[in-house]
Parts: sequence; structure tokens; C-alpha cells
Amino acid sequence: AQSVTQLGSHVSVSEGALVLLRCNYSSSVPPYLFWYVQYPNQGLQLLLKYTSAATLVKGINGFEAEFKKSETSFHLTKPSAHMSDAAEYFCAVSDLSGKLIFGQGTELSVKP
Amino acid sequence: GAGVSQSPSNKVTEKGKDVELRCDPISGHTALYWYRQSLGQGLEFLIYFQGNSAPDKSGLPSDRFSAERTGGSVSTLTIQRTQQEDSAVYLCASSLARTRQETVSYGYTFGSGTRLTVV
Repeated sequence: AQSVTQLGSHVSVSEGALVLLRCNYSSSVPPYLFWYVQYPNQGLQLLLKYTSAATLVKGINGFEAEFKKSETSFHLTKPSAHMSDAAEYFCAVSDLSGKLIFGQGTELSVKP
Repeated sequence: GAGVSQSPSNKVTEKGKDVELRCDPISGHTALYWYRQSLGQGLEFLIYFQGNSAPDKSGLPSDRFSAERTGGSVSTLTIQRTQQEDSAVYLCASSLARTRQETVSYGYTFGSGTRLTVV
């Protein structure tokens, strides 16, 4: 069975600081991995996805994530946080069946 | 339409009443999913439609929950005899994928959700 663990339900950073949101997965088969963002009162938007090509994946709004098989991790980073990055972020894993399993989410706050 | 539309955006209901939640997917999207987002928890899969059929209903939490899709378009999620633990945001997503496996490539588009509060 697949699962996703997001470390830290709340992360707070200062504007301009590095953003690091942690995600570890468990999968018995090569996984497909995703990061989604949810702004208040909106649906989820895809930030980026890993589908067994390059291990460093670049997404929208300056975010990127690196797939590390040895660490079973897919952490999300952004070099410099903006106020507009404040939102909830979800990591998700899928196998070839296409069924998405989501983590519990990490709420990112950005302080001026 | 331009996006996935869900209605109502907010619903407050009394315990024991039935509720219907509606999802209008993007035109042409044959795949449709319902998820539930409870406070402090991640998204929980409920049901997957391809066209009008539901090959995967494994996430429906009890027989009080049902869903249908007509004309390969609009879907309705019905919760009968609502309980307080049903309070959550119910999200709908659609995809161009013709099979579930294709959703990895095509991805999902999510609606803004219906916030259900059972009092």
C-alpha cells in the first residue's frame, strides 16, 4: 500500500527566506509524486509532478522538488518566499493505477 | 465550462437531514473524482467515475453516501441522514484521462469545494 507523510502541519517563514516543505512516501512500486497547492476557498492546483524522468522537478511559481529514492523523499523548496505563497500544500503519491493518495497537508505562513 | 464548478459553496444542515452536493466538470472531461477534506486531515478519496459508471466506489465511508453521474457530465454526491462527522469540505475533480492510469499524465482539475457543516 502507498502512503504519504508530510512533516509539519504548519510551517512559518519570513518573506525572502527559503521555503522547505517535507514529504516522505512509501510505495512498493516506482511512484509518481505530486505537489498541490490550495489557496483559501479555492480548489487544489498542481505545482509539479515527478513521473520517473528527471529527479529534480521544476514547477510553477518558482517551486521545485527533488525525488530522492534512497531517502523516499520528495521535499518541496523555493529559494525566496513571497507573501503570495501563503497557502496549504499537499504532497501526493500515485502508482500506475492512477489513484492519488494525499498527505495531511502543510500550511505555509509567510511573515513580512 | 472554464473550470470545475461545485454547488453550493457552503451548506449548513441539521443532523439527520439528507444533502445533495453538485459537481459540474469541465466540458469534455470524462473522468470525475470526489474527495473529502476533513479538518486537520488530508484528502480522502471517495469515488471515481469514468463516463457514467463508477469503477471505484471503495472510498465511500458508509451506505449513507452515494453518487451518480448522468450524461457523462454533472455528478451529484448524496449524503443521507447526515451526522456531525460528515462535516468536511467535499472536493470534486475532473480529468481528460480516458483511463485512471492516464490521470498521471493528464492530471486533475479541482473545483473549489462544498463546505458542509452538520449541526
